[in-house]
Amino acid sequence: GQSLEQPSEVTAVEGAIVQINCTYQTSGFYGLSWYQQHDGGAPTFLSYNALDGLEETGRFSSFLSRSDSYGYLLLQELQMKDSASYFCAVPSGGYQKVTFGTGTKLQVIP
Amino acid sequence: DAGVTQSPTHLIKTRGQQVTLRCSPISGHKSVSWYQQVLGQGPQFIFQYYEKEERGRGNFPDRFSARQFPNYSSELNVNALLLGDSALYLCASISGGQSNYGYTFGSGTRLTVV
Repeated sequence: GQSLEQPSEVTAVEGAIVQINCTYQTSGFYGLSWYQQHDGGAPTFLSYNALDGLEETGRFSSFLSRSDSYGYLLLQELQMKDSASYFCAVPSGGYQKVTFGTGTKLQVIP
Repeated sequence: DAGVTQSPTHLIKTRGQQVTLRCSPISGHKSVSWYQQVLGQGPQFIFQYYEKEERGRGNFPDRFSARQFPNYSSELNVNALLLGDSALYLCASISGGQSNYGYTFGSGTRLTVV
């Protein structure tokens, strides 16, 4: 089976940097994805790491360590609109099943 | 280009009833996946269809069924509804058979069972 663990809630100040961690246990690993979901909205794909290291996309970066079964999402220059739930997820490769983590609710405060 | 479209957006049903949810993937995408998201949790995989064939099924009872049509749109059916089926049902499409580069989700159907 597959399981992914994330902190349930994180609070950070506008303009600051926040890191959301994800640890996973999977049978077969192809990479780690991150999704953002605002309340009442659909999940939106943010990033995908297939290899170890840091991937940067604007204010968002995602890191993966396959040897540690660990990844994180780094959000810089936080804005109020970044308040949302963030999910790490692992795809199953041949099929399109994606297993999502428990989700981290980020609250950005002034 | 239109994104993934789902209908209806909201639905209220009574226990024991049946419901059909609809999804149209992004034009050119041949694969559709269905997910159930209960409030406060991550989406849970229900089904995946690729080229009109079922390619994967999650840990859901046989009350849940789906199909994909020649135009790649899809329907999710749930019979004998239970209160616990109340959730946001998400449809996602991707261009090929691999999910590595991320789903595009529709806005979902909010199902309430009373």
